[in-house]
Amino acid sequence: AQSVSQHNHHVILSEAASLELGCNYSYGGTVNLFWYVQYPGQHLQLLLKYFSGDPLVKGIKGFEAEFIKSKFSFNLRKPSVQWSDTAEYFCAVIMDSNYQLIWGAGTKLIIKP
Amino acid sequence: EAQVTQNPRYLITVTGKKLTVTCSQNMNHEYMSWYRQDPGLGLRQIYYSMNVEVTDKGDVPEGYKVSRKEKRNFPLILESPSPNQTSLYFCASTHARGTTQEQFFGPGTRLTVL
Repeated sequence: AQSVSQHNHHVILSEAASLELGCNYSYGGTVNLFWYVQYPGQHLQLLLKYFSGDPLVKGIKGFEAEFIKSKFSFNLRKPSVQWSDTAEYFCAVIMDSNYQLIWGAGTKLIIKP
Repeated sequence: EAQVTQNPRYLITVTGKKLTVTCSQNMNHEYMSWYRQDPGLGLRQIYYSMNVEVTDKGDVPEGYKVSRKEKRNFPLILESPSPNQTSLYFCASTHARGTTQEQFFGPGTRLTVL
């Protein structure tokens, strides 16, 4: 079955540490890839997305993600996190352009000041 | 301002008392969807609609109904709520014919069923 896996459910980092959150999907066809962020008490916001072209995608707030097709991965990275990055991060995939988003379970990121 | 709105934002109710959560978007989007978010499970799709009068089941449709009589509105109906429907609900919309397929989310409705 098509699925999206986020390997870390909870991540705790200190400010200025580098971040990498893993996302893998199980589907061999065409995919559109997304990372959404949910700050405490707020709704989901799009961080970045990949549809085609350069597999290294830059998003808002200094985040980036790299699509590695051979590894079915779309990991999220940030070189230096801030306390304000504390949030829950969701990876989501649309498979074969059918508008159905398949979601990972989310990763709760806590940044210690 | 382009947005998706949901009402109410918070609701506490009792088992069996019918309720409706409204969702409205002002972006002329064809596609609308309802999700529930539960800890450790991410978002799961309840129902979606590709256009007016076209609705279909998502992954967890049991206990829910929807309607799409107008393009902008997509209400979620719980005819007889049960405690296992206590959750955070999100409505989302996107252009069905768009190339980016980015979904825009409402602010969420936190429902508690006692």
